[in-house]
Amino acid sequence: QKEVEQNSGPLSVPEGAIASLNCTYSDRGSQSFFWYRQYSGKSPELIMFIYSNGDKEDGRFTAQLNKASQYVSLLIRDSQPSDSATYLCAAWYGSASKIIFGSGTRLSIRP
Amino acid sequence: NAGVTQTPKFQVLKTGQSMTLQCAQDMNHNSMYWYRQDPGMGLRLIYYSASEGTTDKGEVPNGYNVSRLNKREFSLRLESAAPSQTSVYFCASSGSWDTEAFFGQGTRLTVV
Repeated sequence: QKEVEQNSGPLSVPEGAIASLNCTYSDRGSQSFFWYRQYSGKSPELIMFIYSNGDKEDGRFTAQLNKASQYVSLLIRDSQPSDSATYLCAAWYGSASKIIFGSGTRLSIRP
Repeated sequence: NAGVTQTPKFQVLKTGQSMTLQCAQDMNHNSMYWYRQDPGMGLRLIYYSASEGTTDKGEVPNGYNVSRLNKREFSLRLESAAPSQTSVYFCASSGSWDTEAFFGQGTRLTVV
């Protein structure tokens, strides 16, 4: 079992709708979680960071964390064509001081 | 402020050749990482260094070696390149649990 799991997609969402991306992790010792966006041929860039249970909002993005269920999600409201990218979920494993990534979900926003 | 700098950006190797990928960060981060990215596989951790003087294996360490030369620099070495090592390699660094990982621009390696 991978330490961080995501559906690979592709996930197709109409412009203006809400895109929902999900991620699960296996180690209860994980302390914090990150969502990165990666455009084709580019390096990943951070969108959101969350370490407390509940929701964290930043503009059109909301990250949700449920440590009891070992579940992290990212909601993108009012989806735009520029949101089309691969979204990578990552977990910080404090006991080892390492960051593990999921395989990424490819998101496509259709006009 | 350059962030994380990787060299080279592109490289073609013949099977059996060796090479070293260089990475340097100027953010005074303790942790540094080497990942490889293959289509549909996300970022897989090859090796990481939680602090100067320490290195640990990640998910896919076979065929690679690393050196944490000092706090700034973390190199990845392929001793005998194989076609299976064709990939995009990313170096990254982070401060601690509550700081993001910053990435270099990547190295596209092809082994023929």
